[in-house]
Amino acid sequence: EVQLVESGGGLVQPGGSLRLSCAASGFTFSSYEMNWVRQAPGKGLEWVSYISSSGSTIYYADSVKGRFTISRDNAKNSLYLQMNSLRAEDTAVYYCARVLRYCTNGVCYPEQLFDYWGQGTLVTVSS
Amino acid sequence: QLVLTQSPSASASLGASVKLTCTLSSGHSSYAIAWHQQQPEKGPRYLMKLNSDGSHSKGDGIPDRFSGSSSGAERYLTISSLQSEDEADYYCQTWGTGIHAVFGGGTQLTVL
Repeated sequence: EVQLVESGGGLVQPGGSLRLSCAASGFTFSSYEMNWVRQAPGKGLEWVSYISSSGSTIYYADSVKGRFTISRDNAKNSLYLQMNSLRAEDTAVYYCARVLRYCTNGVCYPEQLFDYWGQGTLVTVSS
Repeated sequence: QLVLTQSPSASASLGASVKLTCTLSSGHSSYAIAWHQQQPEKGPRYLMKLNSDGSHSKGDGIPDRFSGSSSGAERYLTISSLQSEDEADYYCQTWGTGIHAVFGGGTQLTVL
């Protein structure tokens, strides 16, 4: 069974830092691209960041570029999000999400659609 | 610019059917999307991938009551035999340039 379990959320002051983790199990983590998605209280879903299966390709939403860093440790089946210079508007539940792989004729391709999600971890930025 | 548009709310009676709509912005009518369900106080759950030709592939354990269809730039999610646990927010999702994922604003479904 595929499982994604986030941790590391909490209350932090504006300008502070926090590191989120996502522990993956039930699949070959090193073969899958991963993302972070967030949801502010009472709002919709907002994509935050993407990392390729090897970690060599990374993308960020403009709203977090230069402040957040995504990384992964395939040996530990873990995904991370280092969040620096936090702002009140970063307050949200943060989810890790696995990228769907489309397979045809024995070859699989990643499609930036999310087929498994974690339960989320709440980050509150407030003084 | 790639935008997904959803109606903010929908409602239908227990046991009935409902069809939710996600509209792709101009020039993006060939895009595949995903539908996700988010029950209250829970993380999202992947329902299906829906292609522009209406073909779809559902996630693990998704009941047959959930189906998808397409027409032009419109992507639909139909839920039949509505149950109380179907009351949730439903999001469509796709991706644009640079792998940037895009979400619709979500539709809050009320089961009467």
